[in-house]
Amino acid sequence: SQTIHQWPATLVQPVGSPLSLECTVEGTSNPNLYWYRQAAGRGLQLLFYSVGIGQISSEVPQNLSASRPQDRQFILSSKKLLLSDSGFYLCAYTGTVFSYEQYFGPGTRLTVT
Amino acid sequence: DAKTTQPTSMDCAEGRAANLPCNHSTISGNEYVYWYRQIHSQGPQYIIHGLKNNETNEMASLIITEDRKSSTLILPHATLRDTAVYYCIVRVLTGNQFYFGTGTSLTVIP
Repeated sequence: SQTIHQWPATLVQPVGSPLSLECTVEGTSNPNLYWYRQAAGRGLQLLFYSVGIGQISSEVPQNLSASRPQDRQFILSSKKLLLSDSGFYLCAYTGTVFSYEQYFGPGTRLTVT
Repeated sequence: DAKTTQPTSMDCAEGRAANLPCNHSTISGNEYVYWYRQIHSQGPQYIIHGLKNNETNEMASLIITEDRKSSTLILPHATLRDTAVYYCIVRVLTGNQFYFGTGTSLTVIP
């Protein structure tokens, strides 16, 4: 069966510190991978998506970056966090480009202090 | 960017049908309408999708107008567990991006 993991579940980081969030998928090959952010009381904002290893598309200019070092691993990073980076970060995947269903991980709640 | 417009919030009595509208007046001929929902502090969950015909599954029904400029998600017998934010999305079947927008916050009232 297909599963998606994210860690950590919660994170509290000071302004200016680095960030690394990891997402891994099991049970499928060559998935499309996605990072979303949801600020408090707001909708989901698509940050990055990837259709293959090393292929990253950025949707919103910001101080965040994403990498896909392996087929089923997606990493969200920042060199220096801002207060506005606080939010709920969700990783998601689709099995193939024709898949109508996007599967989401449990999310990471990031608080930047 | 999200290409849909939804009401910010709605209430529904438990056991009654919940009808959630969505406007997508600029939808293209090859774009599908998808519905997802997000229960608090969880990732969104797929509900249903359609192109132009009405669709029904075990969770809900999707009614798409003939001109495809709007649609309605129907939860036939709402329960308290249906309280969530409901997102309407338009997307081509082969598209990479999903743009969720802000959705409709549905509260089912006992």
